[in-house]
Amino acid sequence: EAGVAQSPRYKIIEKRQSVAFWCNPISGHATLYWYQQILGQGPKLLIQFQNNGVVDDSQLPKDRFSAERLKGVDSTLKIQPAKLEDSAVYLCASSSYMGTSGGYTYEQYFGPGTRLTVT
Amino acid sequence: QQPVQSPQAVILREGEDAVINCSSSKALYSVHWYRQKHGEAPVFLMILLKGGEQKGHEKISASFNEKKQQSSLYLTASQLSYSGTYFCGTGLNDYKLSFGAGTTVTVRA
Repeated sequence: EAGVAQSPRYKIIEKRQSVAFWCNPISGHATLYWYQQILGQGPKLLIQFQNNGVVDDSQLPKDRFSAERLKGVDSTLKIQPAKLEDSAVYLCASSSYMGTSGGYTYEQYFGPGTRLTVT
Repeated sequence: QQPVQSPQAVILREGEDAVINCSSSKALYSVHWYRQKHGEAPVFLMILLKGGEQKGHEKISASFNEKKQQSSLYLTASQLSYSGTYFCGTGLNDYKLSFGAGTTVTVRA
C-alpha cells in the first residue's frame, strides 16, 4: 500500500513570497490533516478535512494560510505572504476510521513532510 | 490543549528500560503514541482508548489511566532502533489530536 505523498520535500523562499505544498493521501482515506512542526516541538494541527469539507481550521492563520481539497483526494496548502516564523516542517497525514474493543478512533499516517525555510 | 510529556530526554544503554509519561488536564477519549526519527515522518505505534486498557508493540507497551488522564509508554530491553523522539497525541474526541512536545530517546551500544 502506497503511503502519504508530499511535495516538494524542501523549499527555501524569502519572506513575503508565496509557497504551495501538495499532498496525496492514502487511497480510500477520507480524512486529511495538515500539521506544522516547528523544530523541537510536536506537530500542531492547522486544518482537517473530511472528504471535501473542513472539519477544523481553528489554528490556521487565515490571513496568510489557505488550504483546499478538491474532489476529496489531493490537497494543497498555501502560504501568502510567508513570514520568518513560518519556517517549519509541514506534515500531511491521512487516516482511516477504525473500530476497536473500546470504541472508534482514527489512526493517522504521516507523509515525509516539506521542510520550509523562510529567509 | 497540548499534553505534557516527561521526561524531555532520556539516554539509555541497550537492554535498559525507560518510561515516558503523557499527562492532560482534560478528560481524554484516546491517547496515540508515535515515534519520529530525525528527518523522517512520525510513525504510528499504538492507540489506547479510555477504559484503562494496555497495549503492546514488540517490547514497547503503554497504559492509559483514565482517572489521572495520563498515559505511560514503556520501553523494555531497549534496542538501538528505539532511538528517536516519542510523541503522545491526546484526543478529546474521536477525530482530533493534540501532540505533546516529545521525548527524545537515545539508546547507546
